[in-house]
Amino acid sequence: GDSVTQMEGPVTLSEEAFLTINCTYTATGYPSLFWYVQYPGEGLQLLLKATKADDKGSNKGFEATYRKETTSFHLEKGSVQVSDSAVYFCALSNWGKLQFGAGTQVVVTP
Amino acid sequence: DAGVIQSPRHEVTEMGQEVTLRCKPISGHNSLFWYRQTMMRGLELLIYFNNNVPIDDSGMPEDRFSAKMPNASFSTLKIQPSEPRDSAVYFCASSSRRQGKSKNIQYFGAGTRLSVL
Repeated sequence: GDSVTQMEGPVTLSEEAFLTINCTYTATGYPSLFWYVQYPGEGLQLLLKATKADDKGSNKGFEATYRKETTSFHLEKGSVQVSDSAVYFCALSNWGKLQFGAGTQVVVTP
Repeated sequence: DAGVIQSPRHEVTEMGQEVTLRCKPISGHNSLFWYRQTMMRGLELLIYFNNNVPIDDSGMPEDRFSAKMPNASFSTLKIQPSEPRDSAVYFCASSSRRQGKSKNIQYFGAGTRLSVL
């Protein structure tokens, strides 16, 4: 079945550091790929998405590129802020259902 | 738009009691999803509906769990009887299957934190 694997956290960074969270997937067909973010005490929010190979999703300085050849969708941000501290979930969608990774907690310190 | 609305935000109950969680999806959305989030198991899809019809309930842990969607603007998740291992955060999400930029993007509510003592 479909599955998503993402790097374990927590990832602890200093403000303005470069962030990468690795995500790889296994799926049949041509899924859409997503990154969701969860701030403490809140529900998940869509951060960015990509619907086909080589698409790049971007939002709030975050980027991820749909790489079909490596079945990956790594999340990157060039300069993180304390407000980026959250849990980040990689997910894929086939037929309208989302399959989530385990989540990666990111802690950004001043 | 008010987004997906869940109630209550917090629920504390005793083992054996019935618990009902409520969800109001975004107006116009025709798919609704119930998830459970725990530290041990992460995010699990429990059940989802298309056009108020349950499509896949394979994630419902056992017969103590049931979900209904009597109309397009309301859904409930019921646990009867509740057990301590049901303690978790339960999320509702909705999406639209219609063509457009938001097709199949799930929008989540703030969740209900359930504690069963």
